Amino acid sequence: ETGVTQSPTHLIKTRGQQVTLRCSSQSGHNTVSWYQQALGQGPQFIFQYYREEENGRGNFPPRFSGLQFPNYSSELNVNALELDDSALYLCASSSQTGQETQYFGPGTRLLVL
Amino acid sequence: AQSVTQLGSHVSVSEGALVLLRCNYSSSVPPYLFWYVQYPNQGLQLLLKYTTGATLVKGINGFEAEFKKSETSFHLTKPSAHMSDAAEYFCAVSNYGQNFVFGPGTRLSVLP
Repeated sequence: ETGVTQSPTHLIKTRGQQVTLRCSSQSGHNTVSWYQQALGQGPQFIFQYYREEENGRGNFPPRFSGLQFPNYSSELNVNALELDDSALYLCASSSQTGQETQYFGPGTRLLVL
Repeated sequence: AQSVTQLGSHVSVSEGALVLLRCNYSSSVPPYLFWYVQYPNQGLQLLLKYTTGATLVKGINGFEAEFKKSETSFHLTKPSAHMSDAAEYFCAVSNYGQNFVFGPGTRLSVLP
């Protein structure tokens, strides 16, 4: 059984640029959630995708967008990067069968200069 | 709306001592409750979860937590701390497995 994987592990961008982060869900999971974890804080929910449709969104602006593919992998896109977007971005997968547990990937650390 | 508070951003214990990390939640529906651990530069690893049934939940690495509805608490305990337990611990609440809300975390230090 393959766990949740994320790429890249680290990324440096400059303000105003765009970035795409990728996530492969755990085998058998059809739901992917994305979180932003700023330094010294808990993860904040960005959005969730279930069977290629957005299935809930946290308090993040529209420049944070996502996709889920037929194989349930997912992308997080962030446009017009701001300095405050510097954080660890975590992807978690789960299965929509009730009593779901979210299994997390190792994260992508984004630094915006 | 759901929320989680974790009392104490930093807890220090001696090796072999009791570990107690506090978590209180608020939820408008019966909650699912989780504890995750995060080691430096890594993602989150599930320690244990409560969904329904027995209120005392046992997890990995000797940790356990008790769901107390009347106190809206889900405190994490371990009888004897080990150096390898030093990490950041997050409590989370969700409604039936969706819309996870995490607390701010508690950093556990274990002193020799």
